[in-house]
Amino acid sequence: EPEVTQTPSHQVTQMGQEVILRCVPISNHLYFYWYRQILGQKVEFLVSFYNNEISEKSEIFDDQFSVERPDGSNFTLKIRSTKLEDSAMYFCASTGDWGEKLFFGSGTQLSVL
Amino acid sequence: SQQGEEDPQALSIQEGENATMNCSYKTSINNLQWYRQNSGRGLVHLILIRSNEREKHSGRLRVTLDTSKKSSSLLITASRAADTASYFCATDGASGTYKYIFGTGTRLKVLA
Repeated sequence: EPEVTQTPSHQVTQMGQEVILRCVPISNHLYFYWYRQILGQKVEFLVSFYNNEISEKSEIFDDQFSVERPDGSNFTLKIRSTKLEDSAMYFCASTGDWGEKLFFGSGTQLSVL
Repeated sequence: SQQGEEDPQALSIQEGENATMNCSYKTSINNLQWYRQNSGRGLVHLILIRSNEREKHSGRLRVTLDTSKKSSSLLITASRAADTASYFCATDGASGTYKYIFGTGTRLKVLA
């Protein structure tokens, strides 16, 4: 079965630094998402992306966050100036059509020190 | 808030028993999905049920949906130790939204 690929699997950064989390969605998918999960807690929606623009974003997705699909295959999440509370597992997901199942990557564990 | 709430938060059963998890949500939906997450791993889709469906089966999984009560249940029959995981429901918005909202999850432990 096709997979969503995320890199790196672990990222450690200092507070205030910029990080870019990378995702390669399934090739023919059109809808892309970022979610995050703080250890043992709920899976929180960050942003959805379709047709090269943000479809919807949550309150968490403030001006420090941005997404990009730079080359038709990668889908990135950038955090400009990381905070301690950004430490979480970040999941990328994609789907071929609205209303269909999501395919999730295995996540990037971000630790902000 | 559209957030789903699962109950129980945690469930511990013996291998071979059935496990039932419930999900409640607040707004109207087009579909509801159930996902499984092994510890520290990504979420894996289990089953999708649309708002015009009342019940759906997939292998040992049975999902029901009651849109009048805004609730769904996931039944895992003849559970195995390998079913130990967290289970989440996810709901979309009926229209005008482009996100899936996940519930708080049920941690299932199946004892061998």
